Amino acid sequence: DAGITQSPRHKVTETGTPVTLRCHQTENHRYMYWYRQDPGHGLRLIHYSYGVKDTDKGEVSDGYSVSRSKTEDFLLTLESATSSQTSVYFCAISERAVPRDTQYFGPGTRLTVL
Amino acid sequence: AQSVTQPDIHITVSEGASLELRCNYSYGATPYLFWYVQSPGQGLQLLLKYFSGDTLVQGIKGFEAEFKRSQSSFNLRKPSVHWSDAAEYFCAVGQGSGNTGKLIFGQGTTLQVKP
Repeated sequence: DAGITQSPRHKVTETGTPVTLRCHQTENHRYMYWYRQDPGHGLRLIHYSYGVKDTDKGEVSDGYSVSRSKTEDFLLTLESATSSQTSVYFCAISERAVPRDTQYFGPGTRLTVL
Repeated sequence: AQSVTQPDIHITVSEGASLELRCNYSYGATPYLFWYVQSPGQGLQLLLKYFSGDTLVQGIKGFEAEFKRSQSSFNLRKPSVHWSDAAEYFCAVGQGSGNTGKLIFGQGTTLQVKP
């Protein structure tokens, strides 16, 4: 299995509070991704990174920001959490750009916003 | 825009029976196609992928998928299902190039296996 960890694995927070999710990899892969998974929607891309300090938006980026100051860490921040951001969040990595390369997924973080 | 449709939200099969999960895609060029499996509480694991060449692709755990360009389909099959195959299955199509490549996922199909 690819060395990907996500923290925390579970979090409950209140509307309006800031939340940061962390993805850490030990594979030294260049590309990292954040997805959210919701019933009936599959996985949707939030943001991705193609190198340190190089990030771009995905299809559902509103309300989220990301940072990547080191190859191994990719942070997802909800500046002011809302109930619509209750979801399961997955980090993924790939050595080269998709679609040619395979994405490997972390175990996920379940976030509940009350 | 590229899209992926998995028509079956939920499928139930008996253990030992054959399985086919459907996937239809919309993409202008030759697609990159993937099937992932997600066991309860786990992340996604790649089952198989199609980039080019032979249209019948073999994957892990005894799964295979066939790319049919004329039908815009990439259906996943297994001849004999085991109870451990109960999971959620996602089809995805890859798009883009350079640094902007992305995967577009279908809605997922939940497989239940009856003893």
